[in-house]
Amino acid sequence: DAGVIQSPRHEVTEMGQEVTLRCKPISGHNSLFWYRQTMMRGLELLIYFNNNVPIDDSGMPEDRFSAKMPNASFSTLKIQPSEPRDSAVYFCASTLRGSHEQFFGPGTRLTVL
Amino acid sequence: DQQVKQNSPSLSVQEGRISILNCDYTNSMFDYFLWYKKYPAEGPTFLISISSIKDKNEDGRFTVFLNKSAKHLSLHIVPSQPGDSAVYFCAASETSGTYKYIFGTGTRLKVLA
Repeated sequence: DAGVIQSPRHEVTEMGQEVTLRCKPISGHNSLFWYRQTMMRGLELLIYFNNNVPIDDSGMPEDRFSAKMPNASFSTLKIQPSEPRDSAVYFCASTLRGSHEQFFGPGTRLTVL
Repeated sequence: DQQVKQNSPSLSVQEGRISILNCDYTNSMFDYFLWYKKYPAEGPTFLISISSIKDKNEDGRFTVFLNKSAKHLSLHIVPSQPGDSAVYFCAASETSGTYKYIFGTGTRLKVLA
């Protein structure tokens, strides 16, 4: 199994630009999570999906952030417009609903100049 | 408001000695706890877990202790090895439906050879 796949691994963009991060969960997993890692706040849960349906987006910082899961094998996290304070590492994780262990992707390091 | 706190951002330990990483939580509804390990440029990987019905769980060199009255858990690594050098995150969840984990800010462990 390839594990959770995220792309791109690195993204450098200018303030005001739209950024789209992508995630392919492990096949068969039915829960998907988006996290953001910063030095100050550690790993923050942004949003999670069960069976492609968003369940809790209370961690999404602002309306500039949106996430979709059009099918069981793909999810996106979009930031529009991006700001320098969005610079962080964004992780996607998946699991089987009912399981405690989440499997993380390698992350996307986002830098907004 | 951080519901899960790791107050030591870093820890250095000599190879062969014990490493103790601490974690405190504020939400008394949390009843399942995980530790994750993260190497640079990789996603976090699951290390060990503990349910609130236990006060100790052991897996090889890794032992997690839970003190519910103090809302405190700790991870013991004995003996510590250079390969254990990583960032360790503790996470806590309520056991209901999809497990929405709240992560701490992490402790960077450096094991000195």
